[in-house]
Amino acid sequence: ETGVTQTPRHLVMGMTNKKSLKCEQHLGHNAMYWYKQSAKKPLELMFVYSLEERVENNSVPSRFSPECPNSSHLFLHLHTLQPEDSALYLCASSQTGTGSVEQYFGPGTRLTVT
Amino acid sequence: AQSVTQLDSHVSVSEGTPVLLRCNYSSSYSPSLFWYVQHPNKGLQLLLKYTSAATLVKGINGFEAEFKKSETSFHLTKPSAHMSDAAEYFCVVSLHASGGSYIPTFGRGTSLIVHP
Repeated sequence: ETGVTQTPRHLVMGMTNKKSLKCEQHLGHNAMYWYKQSAKKPLELMFVYSLEERVENNSVPSRFSPECPNSSHLFLHLHTLQPEDSALYLCASSQTGTGSVEQYFGPGTRLTVT
Repeated sequence: AQSVTQLDSHVSVSEGTPVLLRCNYSSSYSPSLFWYVQHPNKGLQLLLKYTSAATLVKGINGFEAEFKKSETSFHLTKPSAHMSDAAEYFCVVSLHASGGSYIPTFGRGTSLIVHP
């Protein structure tokens, strides 16, 4: 595998379910990000982890819980979601401290909350 | 604080004609600026980046952008559009944050439509 991978690619869940999204980067990067992309809205940065420490949390509801066990893996744990949480969830990684700060994105998980 | 404004939500061109996607930014510090492209049902892919080197930046697929500090702009151009360029384009400004990470701010996106 190369680049940034995300699983599952599609997920349908009820409002009472608990599920997790997984992201894995194979680029040796030290920062990882979760984004939410909804139709007709700008891309929303949800969480940033740098060197496995959370450095940014843009007031995301507590029903979204991130986990970064190491620099290659990032999870987004979901519970008691609302229909308005249906969106494309994108993961990205970057290498900080080198002056090269572009992000590499995974293909996303299309989440539908019923 | 930083912000990005993409001036057009949609741009429509004919194949073979020039492309101009406009982006204005505001940033308290010298910014890093990027353009990303997103094809349907795909993640975002980096087109090009500006990080305080040359003001005219060349990217992939024939795209380029010029950083104009006096106009706080970073417009994306391509001399000749191809059908495969039809996609959503995002302008991004990044600010250095704690822990060595960069916090990006995305524009709302511009949808490029290419007619045969």
